Amino acid sequence: AQTVTQSQPEMSVQEAETVTLSCTYDTSESDYYLFWYKQPPSRQMILVIRQEAYKQQNATENRFSVNFQKAAKSFSLKISDSQLGDAAMYFCAYRRDYGSSNTGKLIFGQGTTLQVKP
Amino acid sequence: EPEVTQTPSHQVTQMGQEVILRCVPISNHLYFYWYRQILGQKVEFLVSFYNNEISEKSEIFDDQFSVERPDGSNFTLKIRSTKLEDSAMYFCASRDYNEQFFGPGTRLTVL
Repeated sequence: AQTVTQSQPEMSVQEAETVTLSCTYDTSESDYYLFWYKQPPSRQMILVIRQEAYKQQNATENRFSVNFQKAAKSFSLKISDSQLGDAAMYFCAYRRDYGSSNTGKLIFGQGTTLQVKP
Repeated sequence: EPEVTQTPSHQVTQMGQEVILRCVPISNHLYFYWYRQILGQKVEFLVSFYNNEISEKSEIFDDQFSVERPDGSNFTLKIRSTKLEDSAMYFCASRDYNEQFFGPGTRLTVL
């Protein structure tokens, strides 16, 4: 069974600085997708960034980028120029590639609470 | 921009009562999901639904739970006899090919 692990329950960063959130996963599949979701105090789940396992290039979305190490099964999120609005819980998630027996469910890590200090 | 909606935003119920949580997925999506998040814990998959039937369910999704798409737009999660441990945030999601879109969640409190 696939698992996702986030070993940092809490992280803090100074406004305008850079922070990296860690995620590791375990799977025997070769085709899959990885995601980072942001959950602010409103508890809405917001997709931050997506990485396809078959792509060697790391995904980037504005101030958010990932370091995807497929062999190490590691998927970290880097937030540059941190802003107060980045304060939230961040979840790493995995899903298998779609197939006849795959429903596309997401498997989440435990989450990392990010505090941004002014 | 289309979005997934959920009602109510907060539901308080007595233990043993039935509750129905409602979701309106994005209109052209075909796959639907329910997830649960107990306060302070991770988001857990409950069930997926496609072509008017359950396509996968987790161990959490026991006989007390059921899902339905009664009218082609709503997608509901029913808990027949609520327990204290059912208190959680329940998220509905629907997906296109690439990603799932989550609703804002329903906070269920069982007293």
